[in-house]
Amino acid sequence: ETGVTQSPTHLIKTRGQQVTLRCSSQSGHNTVSWYQQALGQGPQFIFQYYREEENGRGNFPPRFSGLQFPNYSSELNVNALELDDSALYLCASSPEVVSGGWQETQYFGPGTRLLVL
Amino acid sequence: GQNIDQPTEMTATEGAIVQINCTYQTSGFNGLFWYQQHAGEAPTFLSYNVLDGLEEKGRFSSFLSRSKGYSYLLLKELQMKDSASYLCAVGGGNKLTFGTGTQLKVEL
Repeated sequence: ETGVTQSPTHLIKTRGQQVTLRCSSQSGHNTVSWYQQALGQGPQFIFQYYREEENGRGNFPPRFSGLQFPNYSSELNVNALELDDSALYLCASSPEVVSGGWQETQYFGPGTRLLVL
Repeated sequence: GQNIDQPTEMTATEGAIVQINCTYQTSGFNGLFWYQQHAGEAPTFLSYNVLDGLEEKGRFSSFLSRSKGYSYLLLKELQMKDSASYLCAVGGGNKLTFGTGTQLKVEL
């Protein structure tokens, strides 16, 4: 069983640029969630995709957008990069959103570390 | 909204037992999760509580009291490799809401 993978591992961009981060979900998982983790903080929820549709969004501006593909892999796009966007971006997958009324466990990929200069 | 509190740092001795507490106030609850995160790495899943009580998993146990909005993670027989950040997260509304994490340092 293949775990969650993300690419690239590291990325350096300048203010105003655009970036696309990629995630392949664990085999059998149809739900992908994206989180931003600043240094010394817990991960913050950006949004979730379930069966190719956005299924919830956190407190992030519209310049953060995403996609999920038929094979359940996903992309996170960030436009007009700002210095504060420098963080570890984590993708997590789960078999479903909920099961029996309870949240399914989310399994995280290794993350993409983004530095905006 | 969601508010999750856990201590910032803890130090313990190799071979000892440590308890990391987490309190939460949430508008929705679909489970309480604990993750371990080593520096520069992704969070790895440790445990999951949906009902009140203790869940045991080897050296790790997690407790939940929904009425009190309280959970703890218990680590036994501490090893040096247990030095990491421990994240408490509440599931609800399709997402996980994380605390800021407790940095545990295990000393000889």
